[in-house]
Amino acid sequence: AQTVTQSQPEMSVQEAETVTLSCTYDTSESDYYLFWYKQPPSRQMILVIRQEAYKQQNATENRFSVNFQKAAKSFSLKISDSQLGDAAMYFCAYRGVQGRFGAGTRLTVKP
Amino acid sequence: NAGVTQTPKFQVLKTGQSMTLQCAQDMNHNSMYWYRQDPGMGLRLIYYSASEGTTDKGEVPNGYNVSRLNKREFSLRLESAAPSQTSVYFCASSVDRGRLTGELFFGEGSRLTVL
Repeated sequence: AQTVTQSQPEMSVQEAETVTLSCTYDTSESDYYLFWYKQPPSRQMILVIRQEAYKQQNATENRFSVNFQKAAKSFSLKISDSQLGDAAMYFCAYRGVQGRFGAGTRLTVKP
Repeated sequence: NAGVTQTPKFQVLKTGQSMTLQCAQDMNHNSMYWYRQDPGMGLRLIYYSASEGTTDKGEVPNGYNVSRLNKREFSLRLESAAPSQTSVYFCASSVDRGRLTGELFFGEGSRLTVL
């Protein structure tokens, strides 16, 4: 069965600095998708970024980018120029034949 | 533009009581899902429906039943609530037909407390 591991339960970053959240996964599939979701205190789950496994190019969305290492089964999220509004829980998610979410990383942004 | 709507937002039950969480999506999505979120465990899939008329178990189906009423609606029922079912429940949908790899669109969540 697929597993998704987020090894950092909590992270903090200074406003305007860069932070990287880690995610590793285990799968025997070759075709799958990976996602990062943000959950602010409002509880709403918001898509941050997605990556198709067959694409070698790392996905980017404005200040958010990923480092996708397929062979290492690693999918980290980099947030550049951190803003106070980035404070939230971040979940890494795998979707293939089965889907799995990681346990989440709580990001605190210090002014 | 409602997206995914789930009700109720909050509910307190006593052990043994039953209740149904309702979910509806207006995006013409094929697939719908119920997750539960517990501290330190992320989101775990309870049941999903890959298309109208079909339902399948996820990671943690015990104690739950579901009904895909039509393409728009997917309900989750607790027949005899237990304190272990205290959680935040999320309904989600995706456009997927067949392979379930697309983006999930979530409702706002329902906080359920079982005393």
